[in-house]
Order: sequence, then C-alpha cells, then structure tokens
Amino acid sequence: SQQGEEDPQALSIQEGENATMNCSYKTSINNLQWYRQNSGRGLVHLILIRSNEREKHSGRLRVTLDTSKKSSSLLITASRAADTASYFCATVPFGNEKLTFGTGTRLTIIP
Amino acid sequence: NAGVTQTPKFQVLKTGQSMTLQCAQDMNHEYMSWYRQDPGMGLRLIHYSVGAGITDQGEVPNGYNVSRSTTEDFPLRLLSAAPSQTSVYFCASSYFPGLNTEAFFGQGTRLTVV
Repeated sequence: SQQGEEDPQALSIQEGENATMNCSYKTSINNLQWYRQNSGRGLVHLILIRSNEREKHSGRLRVTLDTSKKSSSLLITASRAADTASYFCATVPFGNEKLTFGTGTRLTIIP
Repeated sequence: NAGVTQTPKFQVLKTGQSMTLQCAQDMNHEYMSWYRQDPGMGLRLIHYSVGAGITDQGEVPNGYNVSRSTTEDFPLRLLSAAPSQTSVYFCASSYFPGLNTEAFFGQGTRLTVV
C-alpha cells in the first residue's frame, strides 16, 4: 500500500485565493517532499522538509510537518492560473532509501 | 544540461511483446528508480537502484526487470507485456534520498498494451 494520502483529491479555487492541501503518511520518516506535476509532464520538486523541522517556506509555498500526527500541509498563497497542476507528497521512510508517493491533489485555479 | 532522459515518449505494444524503456541521467546520481502512474493511484515504485550493479524491488515489481550496469543508465524491461501494464512510466534519479535531496524526473513514457 502507498505511504501517503493527500486530501482533498481535487480542489478548485479562484485566482488570488490560498490553496491548502494535506498529506498523511504511515511510518516514521526521514524527510517529506512536495512535487508538482503539470498535465502530461514529469514531476518537479517544490520543497523538502526534514523530520526535525516543523515549517518551511519557499516563495509562495509554506509547508508544515507534524510528525506526531504523521501529517503535512502545503499552502500556496495568492494562487495563479499557472499553479493549476497535481501536487504530490512523497516520503523517505526512516531507515530505507525508497521515495514513496501519495495519491495526489488535483488543483485547479479559476481565472 | 539534459537531466533525466527517457525514451521513447510513447509506445504501443501487443500483448506478449517485449520492450525496454530507456532512462539516462547525467548528474552522477547514485539512486535511480522507476515508477508507474495510473489514474487515482499516484506514483507506485517498481524497481530502484542505489548504484551500479545493485537493484531492488519496489511496491509493484512483477512483470518488470531492471539492471544497472553503469551509473548513468537504468533500463526497465517488460518481458511479456500485458494490458495491466498500460500506464505512464517515470524514471527518477537523485543522490541518496536519506541525505535529504530532491529527485529529478524524466518526462515519462506513455505505454499502451493492446
């Protein structure tokens, strides 16, 4: 079974609004990463948060990590049409080298 | 700077045919992996390699073989294609994931088995 589950599966918001998506995982992790996938393309790395970090920022992105709840959230502020994509969380479980992905959130920004 | 290159981009196979999906990276990454992506399933790990000569199974390895003779190349072989292998395949490379590094992905191979 997959390590991560994103919530919601799909999200539609107006341009300029903030978008929040969540990820839950099952086992202890070394780090958690978020990736974006535009339709029909490969995945692009957005941000990595280590297990001993609680929050991280990169431009309009804010990621939080709660290891006690085994969950993470990705916040995209001031959304743009170009943010329309699928977003995946991925984890590296503690003690092994496998990068394991969740099922993704499909984000649609309405102009 | 090519990054991760996958070939072909599209392929149609008949049931029972064999083929090899090619993956090459030019970043001297030790770690390479193959995923398949199906609707609603996210990316599932097929096989991975932590260096030349070393491969291991992921979550869904059945029906696929891999080898890693060089650091740069990590081909995925389908020995006898089945309709259930219709999917989009992605190759990725990185330094060791446990070292807190990002993965780089190829553009994918869309495979249809009829």
